[in-house]
Amino acid sequence: DIVMTQTPLSLSVTPGQPASISCKSSQSLLHSDGKTYLYWYLQKPGQSPQLLLYEISSRFPGVPDRFSGSGSGTDFTLKISRVEAEDVGVYYCMQGIHLPGTFGQGTKVEIK
Amino acid sequence: QVQLVESGGGVVQPGGSLRLSCAASGFTFSDYGIHWVRQAPGKGLEWVAFIQYDGTSKYYADSVKGRFIISRDNSKSTLYLQMNSLRAEDTAVYYCAKGEGVRFLGYDYWGQGTLVTVSS
Repeated sequence: DIVMTQTPLSLSVTPGQPASISCKSSQSLLHSDGKTYLYWYLQKPGQSPQLLLYEISSRFPGVPDRFSGSGSGTDFTLKISRVEAEDVGVYYCMQGIHLPGTFGQGTKVEIK
Repeated sequence: QVQLVESGGGVVQPGGSLRLSCAASGFTFSDYGIHWVRQAPGKGLEWVAFIQYDGTSKYYADSVKGRFIISRDNSKSTLYLQMNSLRAEDTAVYYCAKGEGVRFLGYDYWGQGTLVTVSS
């Protein structure tokens, strides 16, 4: 199985400041179709996960443009340009190139 | 709008069985592969099972293989998870999640989840 490793595991951010989460995979997530199957999800407190980004950097409809993704191959980053109070929760990266889909451990983001 | 509504969770004794359902609406159910994903209390996310859009292919996590069965009824836009020989470690919130894109191995919409507790 592909192992996904996130850092840091927790983050405390002042509103309006940027935040960044790293995700590394044990194998390349670049498929032969040319797409890289790396997803980012946010699970807000008491809610089910919601899709933020797919294929590294494509924002899901309704996701604010303060969320951006970058990276390639095995190294990826989620950036929030200016953290807002509604961004608190646990962020997960996930690979969708092979079953079983595997997730990072999660990064808990809180507001200072 | 896309909606996924799980039901069927509850408390069951070790060794018991439970059947979860996921009612879908807002999209053409028969066009998409669908997953079950679970989350143990206070823990991260774990993929459980996947069924292709037409039900011909099914895949399972090693932790549930031989005990759980995923199925679907496209005429009812409903996904199922038959859970047998339940263990304490199966205690979790179970989510159904719609497959994303053309390969369906990511998820774009999730249900609200249903809690399964395995305890004597």
